[in-house]
Amino acid sequence: GAGVSQSPSNKVTEKGKDVELRCDPISGHTALYWYRQRLGQGLEFLIYFQGNSAPDKSGLPSDRFSAERTGESVSTLTIQRTQQEDSAVYLCASTQWWTAETQYFGPGTRLLVL
Amino acid sequence: KNQVEQSPQSLIILEGKNCTLQCNYTVSPFSNLRWYKQDTGRGPVSLTIMTFSENTKSNGRYTATLDADTKQSSLHITASQLSDSASYICVVSGSGGYNKLIFGAGTRLAVHP
Repeated sequence: GAGVSQSPSNKVTEKGKDVELRCDPISGHTALYWYRQRLGQGLEFLIYFQGNSAPDKSGLPSDRFSAERTGESVSTLTIQRTQQEDSAVYLCASTQWWTAETQYFGPGTRLLVL
Repeated sequence: KNQVEQSPQSLIILEGKNCTLQCNYTVSPFSNLRWYKQDTGRGPVSLTIMTFSENTKSNGRYTATLDADTKQSSLHITASQLSDSASYICVVSGSGGYNKLIFGAGTRLAVHP
């Protein structure tokens, strides 16, 4: 595809449910990032994947959050037992190499936990 | 603690006017600084990227400056247009083994006719 795509674009769930968010990076991009953006706030780094290396999970806020990536393709971010404070826009970005300067962002998934 | 602070938090200007957004950072060591534009409901889009050796960089009506000594950057928008209404985010990358970015909270710009 021409850019980074994410699905679903919007997700409403009930507190305590699990949700899975998907990111399709630009083909050929080896690095993939997940960020969270709460309303009116800046982006928070969550997790970083680079090729087949072990991911950098240092930004994950709790053990309810996990992410996987198959090779250099699609990634999924899973939030278990969702809480209301998980409500945010979850953004995915990819770069061609880890040293690449420009991160290309997807449109985000807007998550609302009731 | 590595931080990126932006000012003002929000700004309203009239179409055709110029404006300047500020970014101060404490990230060290420093690799590069980026400015992103984020339209409502969209992902951020890169405007400029500057390394410590660059003082100014332009992208159309957008001009970014960087003072690595004082750890300050500015984004100047010339002859604003209604389509410039967006959030402008300053992002700093520390040097290291990978490209981990620290984001500012952004400045929300509204351009009115």
